[in-house]
Amino acid sequence: DVKVTQSSRYLVKRTGEKVFLECVQDMDHENMFWYRQDPGLGLRLIYFSYDVKMKEKGDIPEGYSVSREKKERFSLILESASTNQTSMYLCASRPGESNQPQHFGDGTRLSIL
Amino acid sequence: DAKTTQPTSMDCAEGRAANLPCNHSTISGNEYVYWYRQIHSQGPQYIIHGLKNNETNEMASLIITEDRKSSTLILPHATLRDTAVYYCIVTDFNKFYFGSGTKLNVKP
Repeated sequence: DVKVTQSSRYLVKRTGEKVFLECVQDMDHENMFWYRQDPGLGLRLIYFSYDVKMKEKGDIPEGYSVSREKKERFSLILESASTNQTSMYLCASRPGESNQPQHFGDGTRLSIL
Repeated sequence: DAKTTQPTSMDCAEGRAANLPCNHSTISGNEYVYWYRQIHSQGPQYIIHGLKNNETNEMASLIITEDRKSSTLILPHATLRDTAVYYCIVTDFNKFYFGSGTKLNVKP
């Protein structure tokens, strides 16, 4: 089975802090994704990566950056956390073949105080 | 933008088949239909996907109409643990747009 692991289930940070969310997958997938999920808004794509050191903006990249130095690891960075970034963050991965599904981690519930 | 329309909620009796519909009238020829579900406080779980043929796996069956404008996810014998939000998604690339989904309530 595919395993996508997010480093923390719950995280509390303060406004202005730099926050790192880590995601690791064990299936040698080329593509990795970061989403946020908010009530009434569904899942929204922040960034994705289709290869090491490659990244593409999703629908809501403002206030975020990403890093993919190794194939198995995709990091989401909140440069200066703000209260409106309080959310559930979900990481996903999928193989390079176009019709294969994304597989998700269990999410990180981030609270910015 | 979600390309799918699903009922907001549905009820199903435990042990009965749950049939969850999805409309995707603007689907294009190379777009697949995917189904996921999400149980509270967990990430979305992949269930099944298909292009135009019906598909079955250990979790569910997927029935896609001949014109591909709608599909139905079938859970053959629903259990209380199947209570979740079910998402139908169509996409031909990496952008999976999750709409609001259908909240399936399985009742004893």
